[in-house]
Amino acid sequence: QKEVEQNSGPLSVPEGAIASLNCTYSDRGSQSFFWYRQYSGKSPELIMFIYSNGDKEDGRFTAQLNKASQYVSLLIRDSQPSDSATYLCAVTSSASKIIFGSGTRLSIRP
Amino acid sequence: GAVVSQHPSWVICKSGTSVKIECRSLDFQATTMFWYRQFPKQSLMLMATSNEGSKATYEQGVEKDKFLINHASLTLSTLTVTSAHPEDSSFYICSGTPYSNQPQHFGDGTRLSIL
Repeated sequence: QKEVEQNSGPLSVPEGAIASLNCTYSDRGSQSFFWYRQYSGKSPELIMFIYSNGDKEDGRFTAQLNKASQYVSLLIRDSQPSDSATYLCAVTSSASKIIFGSGTRLSIRP
Repeated sequence: GAVVSQHPSWVICKSGTSVKIECRSLDFQATTMFWYRQFPKQSLMLMATSNEGSKATYEQGVEKDKFLINHASLTLSTLTVTSAHPEDSSFYICSGTPYSNQPQHFGDGTRLSIL
């Protein structure tokens, strides 16, 4: 089992809809959770981070964390074509090591 | 805040050349920096963790004699690809963080092409 798992996609969502990206992790001692966006040929950029159970909203983005289920998600409301990218889930393990998922490719169709 | 600067952004050189990539944290002190490699359409692969003032920790399968890492100050880490060959061509990205549980901030990456 991979330490951080994401569906590779591609996930295709119509413009204006909600895109839902999911991530599961194996280390119950994980404390910090991050979502990065990576455009093709570019380095990752931080979108959201969350440390506590529940929801955290920032503009069109909402991160959701459920530690009991070892599940973290990212919702993107009012999806725009510019949101088309690969989204990386990252988790800081109990050994303070950050582990990245392999990413989900999101495509927003006009 | 939390800006990481990486240079150069693009390198093309002949096989056998050694290439140095610099990673600087501009507005924070990074006790730890990370070096990643990414091949086209593949995920990020952690190569090594660079610790200021001590030896780097390499991931399994990464040759420490080929990928030399120096983290001489709290704001600068360098990766030297020694005697580079075409199979070393890749996108190399560094990142840094002020504290271990805080987000990593990435440099813009270095695209290395070995002819």
